[in-house]
Amino acid sequence: GEDVEQSLFLSVREGDSSVINCTYTDSSSTYLYWYKQEPGAGLQLLTYIFSNMDMKQDQRLTVLLNKKDKHLSLRIADTQTGDSAIYFCAERAGGYNKLIFGAGTRLAVHP
Amino acid sequence: DAGVIQSPRHEVTEMGQEVTLRCKPISGHNSLFWYRQTMMRGLELLIYFNNNVPIDDSGMPEDRFSAKMPNASFSTLKIQPSEPRDSAVYFCASSPGLADEQFFGPGTRLTVL
Repeated sequence: GEDVEQSLFLSVREGDSSVINCTYTDSSSTYLYWYKQEPGAGLQLLTYIFSNMDMKQDQRLTVLLNKKDKHLSLRIADTQTGDSAIYFCAERAGGYNKLIFGAGTRLAVHP
Repeated sequence: DAGVIQSPRHEVTEMGQEVTLRCKPISGHNSLFWYRQTMMRGLELLIYFNNNVPIDDSGMPEDRFSAKMPNASFSTLKIQPSEPRDSAVYFCASSPGLADEQFFGPGTRLTVL
């Protein structure tokens, strides 16, 4: 079955880069997503990558996909206090209409 | 657009009571999803609809849970009778189509005493 795993917590200093990692099991995944959840709010799509891509950059965000190792990462450059949130990795497994979410990584940004 | 609207935002009830959570998807979206989020189990997909028809309800935990979508602009998730282990944040999300980006509502925080 499908499974998505993430580390639960990451602490970084303001201005540093953050790297959040995710592994998934379904090799037929078509799209992989990063969602952000701020306290008391729903999930918001940050970015996504199609499975035939290795990298996608969007301003301060860089997504790297290693399809061989089924590893996805999200790099946030120049991390700010406003980036403090829970970040969810999700996969859309091939042939499925539903998203499979990881447990979420709580990013804490300190001065 | 106002985004996905959920009500109530907070619900506190006693064990055994019926609970109804409501969702209004974004206008024009054809797919609607109900999720539950807990510390222990993370984010779980309960059920999803396409064009008001339930497509997959395999995530519904048990018969106490039911969901309906009587029209394109409204869906309910009902728990009857409620139990303390149902305490969670319940999210509704909608998307233009099944394979499109999902837009999440703010969630309903349910506490069953």
